[in-house]
Amino acid sequence: RKEVEQDPGPFNVPEGATVAFNCTYSNSASQSFFWYRQDCRKEPKLLMSVYSSGNEDGRFTAQLNRASQYISLLIRDSKLSDSATYLCVVNMIEGNMLTFGGGTRLMVKP
Amino acid sequence: EAEVAQSPRYKITEKSQAVAFWCDPISGHATLYWYRQILGQGPELLVQFQDESVVDDSQLPKDRFSAERLKGVDSTLKIQPAELGDSAMYLCASSLWGALEAFFGQGTRLTVV
Repeated sequence: RKEVEQDPGPFNVPEGATVAFNCTYSNSASQSFFWYRQDCRKEPKLLMSVYSSGNEDGRFTAQLNRASQYISLLIRDSKLSDSATYLCVVNMIEGNMLTFGGGTRLMVKP
Repeated sequence: EAEVAQSPRYKITEKSQAVAFWCDPISGHATLYWYRQILGQGPELLVQFQDESVVDDSQLPKDRFSAERLKGVDSTLKIQPAELGDSAMYLCASSLWGALEAFFGQGTRLTVV
């Protein structure tokens, strides 16, 4: 079983739709969680951190469920420019090791 | 804005040849990572440094791959001999120790022919 698992997609949605991605992690000692965005043939870039209480940044909302070892990302009012791969990332503070999921591909269509 | 620098951006090499990649992290970042990303998959950690010391190289194929960060600043990843299956994007990232966000370089796209 992979340490961080994501549905690879692709998720094909129309502009303006709301879309949600999920991610599960296997190591209960994981301490920090992130969503990164990666455009085609580019490097990953931090989209947002995921806090225990949940957090929102504009159209993006991230949630963490430690009991179920589950992270989610919600995108509201999807834009064409949101088309990318979204990577779930888990970090164990001890060793500061970043473990990536396989990514979920989103395609927003006009 | 400070960036992680990687070179070369692209490399084509014949199988059985040696190839090397270079990374210069953001100044002051003690942690440096090398990841390999095959098209359509997420990045996989090859090696992690804390200053000049290796923290984790459990996924590094040590029969052909080596990595060093001699002065705890820039780093080199080497493959010798290269195999067809090594074709991938090689990403370098850095972070402050204790700070959790990692910043990535633009990567080196390797094609082995």
